[in-house]
Amino acid sequence: GQNIDQPTEMTATEGAIVQINCTYQTSGFNGLFWYQQHAGEAPTFLSYNVLDGLEEKGRFSSFLSRSKGYSYLLLKELQMKDSASYLCAVSDSNYQLIWGAGTKLIIKP
Amino acid sequence: GAVVSQHPSWVICKSGTSVKIECRSLDFQATTMFWYRQFPKQSLMLMATSNEGSKATYEQGVEKDKFLINHASLTLSTLTVTSAHPEDSSFYICSARITGTGDHGELFFGEGSRLTVL
Repeated sequence: GQNIDQPTEMTATEGAIVQINCTYQTSGFNGLFWYQQHAGEAPTFLSYNVLDGLEEKGRFSSFLSRSKGYSYLLLKELQMKDSASYLCAVSDSNYQLIWGAGTKLIIKP
Repeated sequence: GAVVSQHPSWVICKSGTSVKIECRSLDFQATTMFWYRQFPKQSLMLMATSNEGSKATYEQGVEKDKFLINHASLTLSTLTVTSAHPEDSSFYICSARITGTGDHGELFFGEGSRLTVL
């Protein structure tokens, strides 16, 4: 079957760096997305990776290794507003998005 | 960026009644919209893919007669939860891609609608 794994919860300190990992097993691969979702709100797009390597966008970076079925989202200079759930989603061979359960990130002062 | 508006943001209804949720793309056309359901602390679950001018495609296990989807124009899709029951209480979210951006296009999400069935 298809599966997306990411840690349930992580805690980090304001101003620090945190890396949220995502591993996947899907039927085909047409890209990996990261979304941010604050409690009670809809997800917002953060990044899209389809080729191996690192994509940097401001304080957020996303890495992909297709051979390992692995991605991570790196958040630098953490701010309190970064407290949210981070969802990893993979587009499979049918361009269907398979969603991970999300990682709840708690930022402490 | 593109904006998707979802209405209502929250609704409380009695068991047995029907509830309609609207999803509008405000500044772009969306041939395809997606409807998700999310239970607390769980992942987004795709319910159905709404196609403008044709029937929606439902995911396995989703009752099409219970969750009626209508995509009458390139900017509006509606989800009607018919004869709602407490187990239908959930967070319903719609999303859309800008027509022409292909399957890799960014998904824009509505604000979500929290349904509570008493």
